[in-house]
Amino acid sequence: EVLLVESGGGLVQPGGSLRLSCAASGFTFSDYWMHWVRQAPGKGLVWVSRIKYDGTITAYADSVKGRLTISRDNAKNTLYLQMNSLRVEDTAVYYCVRDWKTAFDPWGQGTPVTVSS
Amino acid sequence: QSALTQPASVSGSPGQSITISCTGTSSDIGSYNLVSWYQQHPGKAPKLIIYEVSNRPSGVSNRFSASKSGSTASLTISGLQAEDEADYYCTSYTNSITFVFGGGTRLTVL
Repeated sequence: EVLLVESGGGLVQPGGSLRLSCAASGFTFSDYWMHWVRQAPGKGLVWVSRIKYDGTITAYADSVKGRLTISRDNAKNTLYLQMNSLRVEDTAVYYCVRDWKTAFDPWGQGTPVTVSS
Repeated sequence: QSALTQPASVSGSPGQSITISCTGTSSDIGSYNLVSWYQQHPGKAPKLIIYEVSNRPSGVSNRFSASKSGSTASLTISGLQAEDEADYYCTSYTNSITFVFGGGTRLTVL
């Protein structure tokens, strides 16, 4: 079974940092592009970032460029999202998602991030 | 990158069919056959129901179908069932090598 399990979310003050992790299992992690997608409370889905299977190519939404950094460790089957200079508007559930035929499947259960003073 | 445009809500009675539209631009839907659709029940993670405009993943009911014309994609659910009540999102690859989601559509089964 393909499984994605996020961790690392929590409460952080504006301007602070957080690192999210996503442990992947049930598939050959190093063969797939991976994404982060977020969803603010009561709002819709927003694509955040993606990374190529070998980590050599990354892309970001304009709203997070320069503040959030996606990375991966294929030896550990783990995806990361380093979040710096966090803003109140970054408050959301962050989902780790596998790229499958340039679609998002499957999704992790999500990890909540709250940015508040 | 602006979000794709979806109706905020649609509704239908059991057994009926409904269609949800998703309007983009020549920079996303109009340029790529890389539109996908997701179903999200309250408190749950989204689930892929359509990829590459009109393909259903294994295990997804054939009551779900989709298409694209120009810069607008559409999702049709036929034979509505109570379990179809959920939020639905479209997404597309863009020429900025990013992805953009629609704002989401709440489906109510009356």
